[in-house]
Amino acid sequence: EVQLVESGGGLVQPGSSLKLSCVASGFTFSSYNMHWIRQAPKKGLEWIALIYYDSSNKYYADSVKGRFTISRDNSKNTLYLEMNSLRSEDTAMYYCAKDDYGSPFDYWGQGVMVTVSS
Amino acid sequence: DIQMTQSPSFLSASVGDRVTINCKASQNINRYLNWYQQKLGEAPKLLIYNANSLQTGIPSRFSGSGSGTDFTLTISSLQPEDVATYFCLQHNSWPYTFGAGTKLELK
Repeated sequence: EVQLVESGGGLVQPGSSLKLSCVASGFTFSSYNMHWIRQAPKKGLEWIALIYYDSSNKYYADSVKGRFTISRDNSKNTLYLEMNSLRSEDTAMYYCAKDDYGSPFDYWGQGVMVTVSS
Repeated sequence: DIQMTQSPSFLSASVGDRVTINCKASQNINRYLNWYQQKLGEAPKLLIYNANSLQTGIPSRFSGSGSGTDFTLTISSLQPEDVATYFCLQHNSWPYTFGAGTKLELK
């Protein structure tokens, strides 16, 4: 059974940093591209970052480019999102999701909440 | 970016009803449209991919149709366990974008 479990969220002050993790199981993690997606309170879903299965390519939404870094450790079956210079508008539930060969986002984690507030 | 307009935002229906939810893309996305179900406190679940392909393990009462700019998710006979929020995703071009969601409840 595919499982994705996020962790690392919490309440932080504007301008601070936070690193999210997503531990994967039930599939060959090193073979699939992975994403981070977020949903701000009472807002729609927003894709924010993609990393290829071998870390050869990374892509970001304009809203986080230059502040967030996606990475992965295939030996630990873990996806990461390092978030710097956090702003109140980064307050959201953050989900990791995997790609399938025929479709993106075929499995998602349950999400982890990040709140940026003073 | 491609805008996905989903309707209705809220839907109330009875057990056994046929339910339809729509997504309209701001430009042609071919058949690159997925549908997801999200129950309260749970991870989103893929129901339909590429407009009309049923994901493994999803009940056959769920179906998808459409191409180009107009897409529909149909639940042929609503069950109590279908209470959830449903949303669409276009994956024709980057950045991938989502519909705003439809909250489905039982009447």
